[in-house]
Amino acid sequence: DAGVIQSPRHEVTEMGQEVTLRCKPISGHDYLFWYRQTMMRGLELLIYFNNNVPIDDSGMPEDRFSAKMPNASFSTLKIQPSEPRDSAVYFCASSNQGAIEAFFGQGTRLTVV
Amino acid sequence: AQTVTQSQPEMSVQEAETVTLSCTYDTSESNYYLFWYKQPPSRQMILVIRQEAYKQQNATENRFSVNFQKAAKSFSLKISDSQLGDTAMYFCAFMLETGGGADGLTFGKGTHLIIQP
Repeated sequence: DAGVIQSPRHEVTEMGQEVTLRCKPISGHDYLFWYRQTMMRGLELLIYFNNNVPIDDSGMPEDRFSAKMPNASFSTLKIQPSEPRDSAVYFCASSNQGAIEAFFGQGTRLTVV
Repeated sequence: AQTVTQSQPEMSVQEAETVTLSCTYDTSESNYYLFWYKQPPSRQMILVIRQEAYKQQNATENRFSVNFQKAAKSFSLKISDSQLGDTAMYFCAFMLETGGGADGLTFGKGTHLIIQP
């Protein structure tokens, strides 16, 4: 398996623009997590899904952030409108029911200017 | 809510030495898992070792071992015979046990480990 695949690896956008980050989990995994990593706040859980259903979105910072999982092999994290303070590395991770380990993607480095 | 604290922002040791990274956590729950993740400059998050809270025996993976003290809520990572490739950020993480399902991870702020040649 190719592992968790995120795209793009890097994204630079202007303040006010819409940004969409994409994630393909490992095939057969039924949990998908979105995390954000910043220098100030470290790694934070934003939202996670089980069988494509959002379970806990309490970490989503504002209404500007939204996440979807239309099927078992694809998820998006959207920021609209983007702001400079959204600049961070965004990680997607997936795991299996009954398994413990979460497998992380390579992350997307987002820069909002 | 759970919290994870790593009190050492940065550590530096010579190659081949043994180093111990500290981690404490706070929870009112009894069933949970603890992890150490490594993040090299490539930024890939790599699982180093994990510990189930119900297990008294400390986990070991080759040169990596943990000292799990449940009563003290302490979970330190020992790296033996350190290598240059061990240079990375190390994150301690906590996950609640949810009856067979997964849960999100709560991370510490990390320790930047530098192995000097």
